[in-house]
Amino acid sequence: DAKTTQPDSMESTEGETVHLPCSHATISGNEYIYWYRQVPLQGPEYVTHGLQQNTTNSMAFLAIASDRKSSTLILPHVSLRDAAVYHCILRVVGQGGSAKLIFGEGTKLTVSS
Amino acid sequence: NSKVIQTPRYLVKGQGQKAKMRCIPEKGHPVVFWYQQNKNNEFKFLINFQNQEVLQQIDMTEKRFSAECPSNSPCSLEIQSSEAGDSALYLCASSLGGAGNTLYFGEGSRLIVV
Repeated sequence: DAKTTQPDSMESTEGETVHLPCSHATISGNEYIYWYRQVPLQGPEYVTHGLQQNTTNSMAFLAIASDRKSSTLILPHVSLRDAAVYHCILRVVGQGGSAKLIFGEGTKLTVSS
Repeated sequence: NSKVIQTPRYLVKGQGQKAKMRCIPEKGHPVVFWYQQNKNNEFKFLINFQNQEVLQQIDMTEKRFSAECPSNSPCSLEIQSSEAGDSALYLCASSLGGAGNTLYFGEGSRLIVV
């Protein structure tokens, strides 16, 4: 199964821009890069995803390396509500388009005031 | 707020008892996934459906676990005889299908087996 590597934890301060790295050296050409975040006692929340081009939405900017072997989730002006475990996941296309997610351990982001 | 509805949020069962969890996917989503998240926050894929048909499932699911997604009814995941190691957060997610379509997760059902 495809795998990703992320730092166990990162610390930040409110208002900062945070860069969360993810390595996926064995990514295949048809695998999407997904980011989810999760706080205790809740299910994962979708943040963003991409295939090859950088993407942006109201939550984050996703920068994907040209060789697709790594990506960085950029969170502008973080607040206390952004404290969570951030998962970088590869979306594997299986039989019948089942496309399950393969989760890693994620990066625990701590935000201080 | 999540549009995938999971019930109950918490359930406590004794060893050997049945445990049943339900999931209403987001409206219009034909693909449903079940994941198990253990106390170390590790995710394990269990099974997924497209409409009422099983697409993939792991060996564990084929034995003590059963799941279904009947038409016009909530999807369900049932553990026939709960074991202590089944204590976990069970997450349901739904999707339009395909690699480019996002999975949206519910809040999960936390099972505690005593």
